[in-house]
Amino acid sequence: GESVGLHLPTLSVQEGDNSIINCAYSNSASDYFIWYKQESGKGPQFIIDIRSNMDKRQGQRVTVLLNKTVKHLSLQIAATQPGDSAVYFCAENRSGGYQKVTFGIGTKLQVIP
Amino acid sequence: DADVTQTPRNRITKTGKRIMLECSQTKGHDRMYWYRQDPGLGLRLIYYSFDVKDINKGEISDGYSVSRQAQAKFSLSLESAIPNQTALYFCATSDSPRLAGADTKNIQYFGAGTRLSVL
Repeated sequence: GESVGLHLPTLSVQEGDNSIINCAYSNSASDYFIWYKQESGKGPQFIIDIRSNMDKRQGQRVTVLLNKTVKHLSLQIAATQPGDSAVYFCAENRSGGYQKVTFGIGTKLQVIP
Repeated sequence: DADVTQTPRNRITKTGKRIMLECSQTKGHDRMYWYRQDPGLGLRLIYYSFDVKDINKGEISDGYSVSRQAQAKFSLSLESAIPNQTALYFCATSDSPRLAGADTKNIQYFGAGTRLSVL
């Protein structure tokens, strides 16, 4: 809900422009990364994922870039639309018996009509 | 219909009361999770369950308990609610990796959340 968006970094983008949302991850052993979108009043929803053996993956209007050297992920949204307004957060995952997932705090994307 | 359903969606209760949050899923996933979400913090894991007989504590399990009644049902209880348990609670599910370490995808599918206020 709205309270999720408080205290979060906010990115304001004009409708039709491209958006870039960044995420720094902490564990160099993480080998799988996911971006989630959380709209107001809803649960997080999977957008796109990427494995550590890749540095770029494209979906429909979204692209994820991975820079393992600096432990950085970015989510690019092309031609941003009002329906893209949400909180976006990344998640890092490590291989192993139980794949512990660590979620980032998130960035609030506001699309200006 | 939602694949992961949480009830209730909103709940207000008083300090000391026992509260149960329920989660059911139709995705056929073995793994289920309970998280809480607070403003300015990432999702934090309370408990997780890999099947009906396998339940594990997460990073913030104190003050909570869970029950996996069936593959499709995973409930979270607050035995004696306190104000700092006021938060958004999410249930999630994920499929099991086919081979340990070989397919580490852990995409989680979330319910719509329960907003809990403890007064």
